Amino acid sequence: SQQGEEDPQALSIQEGENATMNCSYKTSINNLQWYRQNSGRGLVHLILIRSNEREKHSGRLRVTLDTSKKSSSLLITASRAADTASYFCATDNQGGKLIFGQGTELSVKP
Amino acid sequence: AAGVIQSPRHLIKEKRETATLKCYPIPRHDTVYWYQQGPGQDPQFLISFYEKMQSDKGSIPDRFSAQQFSDYHSELNMSSLELGDSALYFCASSLEAQETQYFGPGTRLLVL
Repeated sequence: SQQGEEDPQALSIQEGENATMNCSYKTSINNLQWYRQNSGRGLVHLILIRSNEREKHSGRLRVTLDTSKKSSSLLITASRAADTASYFCATDNQGGKLIFGQGTELSVKP
Repeated sequence: AAGVIQSPRHLIKEKRETATLKCYPIPRHDTVYWYQQGPGQDPQFLISFYEKMQSDKGSIPDRFSAQQFSDYHSELNMSSLELGDSALYFCASSLEAQETQYFGPGTRLLVL
């Protein structure tokens, strides 16, 4: 990946549990975005956090950003089977183009 | 709400053939991005356009070219196709002043 690592690469949990995915990046950024992708389908934008923000919430999603460590985390609370998908972080360094991480495959078992 | 439209959704070509992928951005969006996602890989930025001018270029092979037209739709032209070009090709659009990119459903290209 051009950007860095996502951790873990795969995560399997039971419905109702929380899922935490981490992302590290290499360059300075304007913002960091999280996307979801169901197998072989399009990328769905979940949430955007700007470089001057530390935490952001959207429904069951919570994103944190630590620019000193160049890392971000995505927490999905009270997971559902329908949350099963790949989750990618992507950074925008003001050029507009997104640089994606390798993704985390989340499997939520009913 | 209208989303990004890509056509075709699936395409099968043979080596050395050419392919043209089309992208219709969300109405009033002036910026288009192209990404390539190989099997099991993360999306890789290829090229972008703002107001019909190329705004950034990534890991796009010289065999590929793209443009944005006056109605803001974009086409990705791929020539001398290779087996390794088999991938999902995504188009995304945004308003230049806004940061969120909205992705289309992708075109799945298979080169035989």
